[in-house]
Order: sequence, then structure tokens, then C-alpha cells
Amino acid sequence: AQSVTQPDIHITVSEGASLELRCNYSYGATPYLFWYVQSPGQGLQLLLKYFSGDTLVQGIKGFEAEFKRSQSSFNLRKPSVHWSDAAEYFCAVGLSNTGGFKTIFGAGTRLFVKA
Amino acid sequence: GAVVSQHPSWVICKSGTSVKIECRSLDFQATTMFWYRQFPKQSLMLMATSNEGSKATYEQGVEKDKFLINHASLTLSTLTVTSAHPEDSSFYICSARKIYEQYFGPGTRLTVT
Repeated sequence: AQSVTQPDIHITVSEGASLELRCNYSYGATPYLFWYVQSPGQGLQLLLKYFSGDTLVQGIKGFEAEFKRSQSSFNLRKPSVHWSDAAEYFCAVGLSNTGGFKTIFGAGTRLFVKA
Repeated sequence: GAVVSQHPSWVICKSGTSVKIECRSLDFQATTMFWYRQFPKQSLMLMATSNEGSKATYEQGVEKDKFLINHASLTLSTLTVTSAHPEDSSFYICSARKIYEQYFGPGTRLTVT
């Protein structure tokens, strides 16, 4: 069965430090991969996506992610975290088959930023 | 851009009543919309896929008679929670599909008293 795993429930980093959020997926083919951010009580905002091509993708707010097929991973990175980055981050996999299209979300990683 | 709105943003209703939540794609047409439920500090759980002009497809374990979904036009899908109970209190988020991306609404906080 298809699944998305975010091994870290929460992460705390100091402001200005680098960040990496992990994501692994289980799917037979190359999926569509997404990272979303959610602030408390808000909907989801797309940070970046990977469909094909260059495995290092750039997103908004200085985020980037790298697709590694051999590791079935799509980790999110940011070189220098800002206090406003504190939020919940979701990795997601878009699946398209004869049954239609759906997106499966990981459990999320809450990012705390300390001064 | 691709903007999705939800209305209302929050609603409080009494147990046993029904409440309707609207999801609109404002600047694009969406043949497919999705409804998610999110409990505090948890991920999004897909409830159903709503296809314009046809019946919604519900995920396993979701009561279709309780959560009525209607996708009447290419820009509007509605979720009606019927005979609401306190355990239906949750954050409901819709999204609209545009090619292989989904655009999410801001969510609706439902509290059943």
C-alpha cells in the first residue's frame, strides 16, 4: 500500500540554523511529491513540488527539496531558519491511476524555532 | 493563481442539527474536489473525493449518509454534516484539483455542542 512517512513528530532548531525535514514514501512508481506548510488554524500552503526532471527543486520562502529515488526520499531543507518558519510541515504524495487521483499525506512534522 | 475558499470559516451547532460547508474554486474550474478532516495535531485524513456531476467516492470508514457531498458545479462542492454529534467536531479542509496539484481552502472549524 502507498504510504508517506515523516519520522520526526517535531523538531526544534535555533533561528539562523539549517533545517532538514525527512520524508520517505512507499509507491511502486515515481509519484508526484509535495511539501506543504500549515500554520495553526489555517489551510495548507504549497512550498514546492516534484513531478519529474531535476531532482533538486526550489520552492517558496527559501525552501528546497531533493528527490532521491534510491532512498524513496524527498527531504525538505532550508539553509537558515527564520522564526516565522515555525509551523507544521506535511510531505505528500500524489497518486494517479485508473481509479483517479488522490493525495496521501504524512503525519506531519512540527517545527519549533528558538531564539 | 489558484484560490480556494471555504465558508464558513468556523461554525458552532447543536447536537442533532445539520451544517453545510461550502468549498469554491475562485479562479479555476475543478472537476475534482477533495474533503479532508483534521484532528488537533494530526495529519489530514481524506474523507471523500467529489466529482462534478457524479456521486462522491468515500474513503473506507467514512459514513456517506452522515457526510453528504454534492459537487453541483465546476467551482462548488458542499459538505453537509447531518445529525451532528460532538465527535464530529473537527477541522474540515477542502481542496480542488488542478491537473496534478491540489489547492487547499483555509479550513472550517466545526464545533458541535
